[in-house]
Amino acid sequence: DAGVIQSPRHEVTEMGQEVTLRCKPISGHDYLFWYRQTMMRGLELLIYFNNNVPIDDSGMPEDRFSAKMPNASFSTLKIQPSEPRDSAVYFCASRATGAGANVLTFGAGSRLTVL
Amino acid sequence: EDQVTQSPEALRLQEGESSSLNCSYTVSGLRGLFWYRQDPGKGPEFLFTLYSAGEEKEKERLKATLTKKESFLHITAPKPEDSATYLCAVQASGGSYIPTFGRGTSLIVHP
Repeated sequence: DAGVIQSPRHEVTEMGQEVTLRCKPISGHDYLFWYRQTMMRGLELLIYFNNNVPIDDSGMPEDRFSAKMPNASFSTLKIQPSEPRDSAVYFCASRATGAGANVLTFGAGSRLTVL
Repeated sequence: EDQVTQSPEALRLQEGESSSLNCSYTVSGLRGLFWYRQDPGKGPEFLFTLYSAGEEKEKERLKATLTKKESFLHITAPKPEDSATYLCAVQASGGSYIPTFGRGTSLIVHP
C-alpha cells in the first residue's frame, strides 16, 4: 500500500481565497482523521470520520472550515474564505478497526501558507 | 479532559550521549500510550504502544517505559539519524478511543 496520500504538499494562497486539501486513506481503514499542526498549538484534531460518516467535528475552528468524505477512498478539507491564521501543516491520518487498531498512519501533510 | 505534557521542548545531544524524554499525562483511564517520531516535512510515524504501568518496549536505541503518571523515551548512544521530533499521545478507555497528542520534543543529535 502507498500509505496515506495527501495533496497538495504545499499551497500558497491569498487571504479570502478558497483552499481544498485532499486525502486518500489506506485501503481498508475505516477511520479518517484531519489534524492541524502549528508550533504554538502542536497537533490538533479537527474532525474524524468512521465509515465515511463525520463523528466529531468539535475541533473545527469555525464555519469557514468544512470536511467531506464522499467515499471510503477520498476526503477533502475545505477552508473558505482562508485567513493568514489558517497557515499551518494539515495532516490526514487513517486507522483500521481491529488488532493494532490504535495506531494512526499519517500522510506527509499539506503545508498551507495564507498571505 | 485528557492532557499530555512533554518535556523538554527541545534537546541537543552529542552523538553517543544517552538521555531521556518525558511524557506526563492526565487521563480518566488509560487505554494506551503511544510514541511517534516525526521527521521534518513528514507526518508522524508510529514507534511504540504501551498499555500498562511497568511495561517496556524497545527498538534499536530507543526504549519506552510507562508508569501510572508518565512515560519515558530513553535514547541510548544516539546517532545523528535519531534527530527528529518525538510525539507522545494517550488514548482514554471508553468513548471514541481518539488519541490526544503532546506538543513533542525536538531532538537534535550532533556528530
